[in-house]
Amino acid sequence: EVQLVESGGGLVQPGGSLRLSCAASGFTFSSYWMHWVRQAPGKGLVWVSRINSDGSSTSYADSVKGRFTISRDNAKNTLYLQMNSLRAEDTAVYYCARDSDSTNAFDIWGQGTMVTVSS
Amino acid sequence: EIVLTQSPGTLSLSPGERATLSCRASQSVSSSYLAWYQQKPGQAPRLLIYGASSRATGIPDRFSGSGSGTDFTLTISRLEPEDFAVYYCQQYGSSCTFGQGTKLEIK
Repeated sequence: EVQLVESGGGLVQPGGSLRLSCAASGFTFSSYWMHWVRQAPGKGLVWVSRINSDGSSTSYADSVKGRFTISRDNAKNTLYLQMNSLRAEDTAVYYCARDSDSTNAFDIWGQGTMVTVSS
Repeated sequence: EIVLTQSPGTLSLSPGERATLSCRASQSVSSSYLAWYQQKPGQAPRLLIYGASSRATGIPDRFSGSGSGTDFTLTISRLEPEDFAVYYCQQYGSSCTFGQGTKLEIK
């Protein structure tokens, strides 16, 4: 079964750090670009970051640039999001998603992991 | 940044009726990079339509997409109870942005 499973969310104080993980299974992880998308409580979807298949190219939303770092370990079939200098407005469910080059869309999503930034 | 504006914000319809959801872009979007997603409460989004008009794997044929340039439409021909959810359009041609969503609720 093709699957993405996020982990690492939790409660963190403003200014703190957190690393999210997304474990992939059921497909050749190293062949796909991957993304992080977040959703604040009761709000819509917001794209956060993407990484190409071999990890050599990354891109970020302006709101997280310089604070968040996306990376991947293709040997471990795992995607990461290192989040530093966290702010209250970073509170959201964070989803990882697979980028399908056959559809130019995000065809597989994880179940999400909640990040709460609060003192 | 390309801004996607979805309308209406909320659509109240009954099962069996036809639903028409709109997505308007602030500048032209390649149809190849326009997608629609469905999201139910507590669940991750699910890809419905890609390339503006192609159904994703396993999506019933009551869902259809159309449009080009700056105006795109998602149509659900005959609403089933399980179709009541929030729908998002997405463009992935210039960076990536989502519309704010249309909530489809039972009337």
